[in-house]
Amino acid sequence: QSVLTQPPSASGAPGQRVTISCSGSSSNVGGHAVSWYQQSPGTAPRLLIYNDNQRPSGVPDRFSGSKSGTSASLAISGLQSDDEADYCCATWDVTLNGPVFGGGTKLTVL
Amino acid sequence: QVQLQESGPGLVKPSETLSLTCNVSGSSLAGDDYWGWIRQPPGKGLEWIGSIYPTGTTFYNSSLQSRVTMSMDTSKNQFSLRLTSVTARDTAVYYCAKTEPSFTASGVVVSYYFHYWGRGTLVTVSS
Repeated sequence: QSVLTQPPSASGAPGQRVTISCSGSSSNVGGHAVSWYQQSPGTAPRLLIYNDNQRPSGVPDRFSGSKSGTSASLAISGLQSDDEADYCCATWDVTLNGPVFGGGTKLTVL
Repeated sequence: QVQLQESGPGLVKPSETLSLTCNVSGSSLAGDDYWGWIRQPPGKGLEWIGSIYPTGTTFYNSSLQSRVTMSMDTSKNQFSLRLTSVTARDTAVYYCAKTEPSFTASGVVVSYYFHYWGRGTLVTVSS
C-alpha cells in the first residue's frame, strides 16, 4: 500500500492529452514539492518533473506538472508511442520523515 | 553529466548481508551533494531505503532502519549500502541516485527529488 495514490492504469491515442493523478495528504503532497518519474520496462526511472511543475533539461514541454491542495497531476500532451511507460509521483512525507512514492500508473498508448 | 553505476552480488542467501556499491562519475562525493538508495521489488513500486549527506550523516527508512547501513568513500568516489538479515522480501532491483533536497533556513525539507539514477541491479534473496 503506497502512501501516495495513483490510478493503476491510463490510456490515450497518439496525439491526445492524458492526465495522471497523485493523491496524498497534508503531511506529504499538501506541504512539499512533488516530482514525477517515467520508467520504461527494464530501465531506471527518469526524472520528468520536479518542484511540482519544473522540467529538467532535456524533458520535452509536452510533459507538465501541477498541484492543488493534496493532489498533484502529470499531463502529457501530443501522446507518442514511446510515452508508453510507468509513471510515478514522489514527495517528502513529514510524518514518515522521508521521501515517499506513489504506486505508479501504467500508461498505454492505443 | 552525472553517472551512477551499482555493483554487487546478484544472489544473497537468506539471513545473510546484502552489500552494494555505487560508483559515481561526473560529480565529486567530497562536494555538497546528497545521495540515496531506492529499491523496487519485482512488479511493485519504488521504496526509498536511505540517504547520505555531504557530512556523512545518514538517515534511513524507518521500516528498514534496524538493518541498514550506508557509508561513503570519497577517495574512491563511491557510496555503499549494507542490508543485514535479508529475506525473500528484500528481493528487488536496487538503484542508487543523486538526490536534490532543498530546505528552509531552519532545516525543514521543502523539496526532495532524485535527479540522476543508476541503471539498477537485481538482487535475489534465495538459498
